[in-house]
Amino acid sequence: QQPVQSPQAVILREGEDAVINCSSSKALYSVHWYRQKHGEAPVFLMILLKGGEQKGHEKISASFNEKKQQSSLYLTASQLSYSGTYFCGTEIRTGANNLFFGTGTRLTVIP
Amino acid sequence: ETGVTQSPTHLIKTRGQQVTLRCSSQSGHNTVSWYQQALGQGPQFIFQYYREEENGRGNFPPRFSGLQFPNYSSELNVNALELDDSALYLCASSLGGEQPQHFGDGTRLSIL
Repeated sequence: QQPVQSPQAVILREGEDAVINCSSSKALYSVHWYRQKHGEAPVFLMILLKGGEQKGHEKISASFNEKKQQSSLYLTASQLSYSGTYFCGTEIRTGANNLFFGTGTRLTVIP
Repeated sequence: ETGVTQSPTHLIKTRGQQVTLRCSSQSGHNTVSWYQQALGQGPQFIFQYYREEENGRGNFPPRFSGLQFPNYSSELNVNALELDDSALYLCASSLGGEQPQHFGDGTRLSIL
């Protein structure tokens, strides 16, 4: 039930863009995105529900392709503060909010 | 508004022992989920409690059990500890449904 994330790691210079992908082999009800900095708790970014809607949060946005059971997180004009590990959490049981997280994508932004 | 708090912060146990971890949910949140996060891995779903009832369980053996109290705080109990149980245990609370889960800072459990 664990989704697969890609890439596993990415290094960006400030101002560059990145895309993080999350794929599931099971039909998804929703996808939740979190960022975790080293030694800290995961912090909520956004939720995408079935329907393919795209959401935005500052310069971070995401999409959800229900047919492909995939979600992508888009980071534009990256800032140093974007560094951390990004996790997608997938929900396959409607409304239960039981999340199964991927192995994460480590993002490092350098000056 | 008080966030999610977990106790203790760190714990060291030996194989075969039992442990209880505690979580106080964010004010107003009636749903608590527990996760196990091994080093370099994503959080793995253990189980969720909604209004004192278990509302979903991941692929963890029965020696992982939980409880939720009327004030929505929660406990995670692990019996017969094994070396592989060494991990960061995270608690997250939410309003349920399609609402964000808010994580506590976790309990770092080490098994010797």
